[in-house]
Amino acid sequence: DGGITQSPKYLFRKEGQNVTLSCEQNLNHDAMYWYRQDPGQGLRLIYYSQIVNDFQKGDIAEGYSVSREKKESFPLTVTSAQKNPTAFYLCASSPRGGAPNTEAFFGQGTRLTVV
Amino acid sequence: AQTVTQSQPEMSVQEAETVTLSCTYDTSESDYYLFWYKQPPSRQMILVIRQEAYKQQNATENRFSVNFQKAAKSFSLKISDSQLGDAAMYFCAYTGTASKLTFGTGTRLQVTL
Repeated sequence: DGGITQSPKYLFRKEGQNVTLSCEQNLNHDAMYWYRQDPGQGLRLIYYSQIVNDFQKGDIAEGYSVSREKKESFPLTVTSAQKNPTAFYLCASSPRGGAPNTEAFFGQGTRLTVV
Repeated sequence: AQTVTQSQPEMSVQEAETVTLSCTYDTSESDYYLFWYKQPPSRQMILVIRQEAYKQQNATENRFSVNFQKAAKSFSLKISDSQLGDAAMYFCAYTGTASKLTFGTGTRLQVTL
């Protein structure tokens, strides 16, 4: 089945450690996104990519990094510079980059907890 | 920069009644899409309805319809014959030529018996 897969579903990290969240899609979509959602809050854009080997900062990029070496993959690294990383992270993809899209498809999310 | 505003943090509706969720947006673009997404307790994001900016006709999907007022930059969602399963967070979203997908802060909808 085509879709977008995030792993792991739950992730625990010690303070001071970097951690990478995985996002893979087999929809042949050009654009991919990472969002952060805090309890009772909306989705805030961290990074997005319109095409392979290119990405742009979103509204809250500080303390995060991404790569887009393959069309189907858009991993997010939460670095030790992120002061409050405990949150729910959502990855999404949409068909076209550089143009309005008809729909974004979302993964199931990763719940990151710093212990 | 595009912004999306949802001014109703919470709404409540009785089962079988109708409720309208508000959304306004700000953009200088002429080509864009607007969406309403539903997020139930499972936290899976589900597309409810979408509207293309160049289409004057309001989109409808079964019990869900929108009131798209392009000049006013308003995009409200009407849910008719509300059901218990409609209880969720609802997010309004915008995407334009940069493919950046921007969400509002959401409206929590409660459905009561």
